[in-house]
Amino acid sequence: EVQLLESGGGLVQPGESLRLSCAAAGFTFSSYSMTWVRQAPGMGLEWVSAISGDSAYIYYADSVRGRFTISRDNSKNTLYLQMNSLRVEDTAIYYCAKRTAAVPGAVDYWGQGTLVTVSS
Amino acid sequence: AIQLTQSPSSLSASVGDSVTITCRASQGISGALAWYQQKPGKAPKLLIYDASSLESGVPSRFSGSGSGTDFTLTISSLQPEDFASYHCLQFNSYPWTFGQGTKVEIK
Repeated sequence: EVQLLESGGGLVQPGESLRLSCAAAGFTFSSYSMTWVRQAPGMGLEWVSAISGDSAYIYYADSVRGRFTISRDNSKNTLYLQMNSLRVEDTAIYYCAKRTAAVPGAVDYWGQGTLVTVSS
Repeated sequence: AIQLTQSPSSLSASVGDSVTITCRASQGISGALAWYQQKPGKAPKLLIYDASSLESGVPSRFSGSGSGTDFTLTISSLQPEDFASYHCLQFNSYPWTFGQGTKVEIK
């Protein structure tokens, strides 16, 4: 059974940093691209970033490029999102999600999400 | 970036009704579109991938169609557990984009 468990969310002030983690289990982690998606309170879904299985390909939304860094440690089956220079508008639930093996492929499994609140 | 326009933003329907949600892309995305269901406080759940393929375990009352720029999600006979929000996602090219979402409420 595929399991994705995010952690690392919390309350921070504008300009501060936070690192999210996503522990994966139940599949061969290194074989799949992974992605982060966020959802601001009461709003729709917003794609944030994606990384290929071997970390060779990395993509960011314009809204986070230059502030957020996605990475993964395949030896630990863990996905990360380093978030710097956080803004109030980054407040959201952050989900990690596994992409299917198909090319191109959608995401098929999601974690339960971790809440990031940026407020002074 | 490819924009996805999803409509309606909300709808009211009764159990047993057939409902249709549309998603229009600002440029062609072939069949690279997925539909997700999300209930309050929960993560999204994949319903349809590649525009029309039903995810394993999803009831057959859910169906998707379309290609290019125009896509639809149809729920043929609405059940009580179907009252939720629905989102479309284009994964044809980065940056990926989601539609604005559709909330399906009980009439």
